[in-house]
This record gives sequence, structure tokens and C-alpha cells, in this order.
Amino acid sequence: GAGVSQSPRYKVAKRGQDVALRCDPISGHVSLFWYQQALGQGPEFLTYFQNEAQLDKSGLPSDRFFAERPEGSVSTLKIQRTQQEDSAVYLCASSLAVDRGNTEAFFGQGTRLTVV
Amino acid sequence: DAKTTQPTSMDCAEGRAANLPCNHSTISGNEYVYWYRQIHSQGPQYIIHGLKNNETNEMASLIITEDRKSSTLILPHATLRDTAVYYCMYGGATNKLIFGTGTLLAVQP
Repeated sequence: GAGVSQSPRYKVAKRGQDVALRCDPISGHVSLFWYQQALGQGPEFLTYFQNEAQLDKSGLPSDRFFAERPEGSVSTLKIQRTQQEDSAVYLCASSLAVDRGNTEAFFGQGTRLTVV
Repeated sequence: DAKTTQPTSMDCAEGRAANLPCNHSTISGNEYVYWYRQIHSQGPQYIIHGLKNNETNEMASLIITEDRKSSTLILPHATLRDTAVYYCMYGGATNKLIFGTGTLLAVQP
């Protein structure tokens, strides 16, 4: 399809397990964002890539969270030693433009992570 | 971080216009106002954005005040499928969008 694709759609992890969440952005999109959305809350910014460069990781909640986009396309968000508070929907978004203001971002369906 | 203020919830009758307000008093002169919505269990969906002038597309209209400190999203003929949480935002230095708590719009039959 032409949209942002995330996999898996659902993930159940045991506490302490490592997980990897994948995002396939729209082809040719330069910018890529990860957000975390807890139940009943708005999405919270985690990190931002421009091509392969991670320009902003100010929203990553701890050093257990790591994101990469090695070839400037597919991105992976990795969470090490998962905790119950990591349970949330993880959203990926991509946008074509680099322009500071005029940026329409397209979101994927998200990955729902449940840590038990 | 960019902050906006929106009512927590609103109701609208099906077929009527839904007018969703947003205050963004700290917006800078070159920052765009964006509106997204999120239907239950889906990712946020882009609706519209604008800088100074009013904008219209197939989904909605965006009215921005002259001082740019507030805006209104208008859904001209709301349907039941428009029931969602609507987020008003403006872009930051790295283009990241800061979501607030949004407005839950409930369209009533």
C-alpha cells in the first residue's frame, strides 16, 4: 500500500523482554517520527529522523529506548528490558518535506505493546 | 514545547456544522497550525493546515484569526463517522508536532 506501515500490529511481551517495532514510511519521505500513546492520552513525541540522521531524541523516556533508521527508509524502535509502564501504542509517522513549518505528516496504524 | 488549548469535549447533531476552537497564543510567525483527528484504534489522520489565510479542503475549513492566536476547524456537515478526538497543533523547530489532549467530538444521530 501507499501508506505508513507498522509491524507487528500487536505485541505482548513479558516484563524484561526486549522488543523491536518496525516502521515502513511512505517511499521518498525524508522525515520520520515515533510517538508513544498511552491509553486515553494524546500521542507523545519520542524521536525524529531526517533521512538516516536522528536529529531529536529528546522524547525517549529512558536509555532502554533506542531508535534507528540506518538507510534513511525503514526505522526500528527497540525497547530493552520492557517494563509494564512501556505498555502503549507506538505510532510512526513520515513526511515528505524538510521545510520547518509546512509539513503534513502521515501516521501508521500503530503497534499496541502490552507488557505482562 | 508548543502548547494549545482545546475544549475537552463537544457534541454536534448529525448534518449540522461542527465548529472546534483552539487557542495557540504562543505560536510564532512562521509556524503553521495543523489539525489532525484520531478515530478509535487508528493512527492520527491529517485534516488541514494553514499559516495566515483561511483554508478549505474536501474535509474541512480552517479559520485563523488575524492575530493568529486562535483558530477554528469547521466540519460543514458532520456525520457519525466524524466522531473522533480532534487535535490542534503547531510545528516546532524540528517539524515535530506536539499533541495536546484534544477535543472529543461526539456526533449525535
